[in-house]
Amino acid sequence: EAGVAQSPRYKIIEKRQSVAFWCNPISGHATLYWYQQILGQGPKLLIQFQNNGVVDDSQLPKDRFSAERLKGVDSTLKIQPAKLEDSAVYLCASSSRSRTGELFFGEGSRLTVL
Amino acid sequence: AQSVTQLGSHVSVSEGALVLLRCNYSSSVPPYLFWYVQYPNQGLQLLLKYTSAATLVKGINGFEAEFKKSETSFHLTKPSAHMSDAAEYFCAIPSGGGADGLTFGKGTHLIIQP
Repeated sequence: EAGVAQSPRYKIIEKRQSVAFWCNPISGHATLYWYQQILGQGPKLLIQFQNNGVVDDSQLPKDRFSAERLKGVDSTLKIQPAKLEDSAVYLCASSSRSRTGELFFGEGSRLTVL
Repeated sequence: AQSVTQLGSHVSVSEGALVLLRCNYSSSVPPYLFWYVQYPNQGLQLLLKYTSAATLVKGINGFEAEFKKSETSFHLTKPSAHMSDAAEYFCAIPSGGGADGLTFGKGTHLIIQP
């Protein structure tokens, strides 16, 4: 079974530029999450989708971050314009409807904002 | 909201020694508790999961954790450390409040001394 796929793995941009990250969850997983992991900290939830609907985006900085999951499968997270403090690893995770609580993570996309 | 606290941002042990990583959860008894491991430049991988079926949980790579309600703890142990255990370890708890994502601790970096 293929795992959660993310791209790009690494991205370096200047502040005020824009960037987009892509995630393809495990096949059949209805729930998709985007987490932000700043160096030395635990992952922090940015947004959770159930199919193509948003369940929780309370910690998403909506003035600069946006995310979509149009067909209930792939998802894109966008940052525009980027700030220095957005330098982090962006982790995508997915889970099934069984509600066992387990999340399956991709390898992450590391963003450096200069 | 539920939370977890990991005591010690860095833990250093000698190869072959006991590994003990500490995690305490907030007062409400959670339905699940998790330990995840993150190797350098990789995503998070599930190490083990508590589901109330048993208080002592065995995971991969020889790790285990014991759920202690009286101490609100879920500490991770391994009898004999191996060099390959060097990684970041995260304790996690369901976020609650209608969303079924996970809230992570700040992580403990495990260093193995030869």
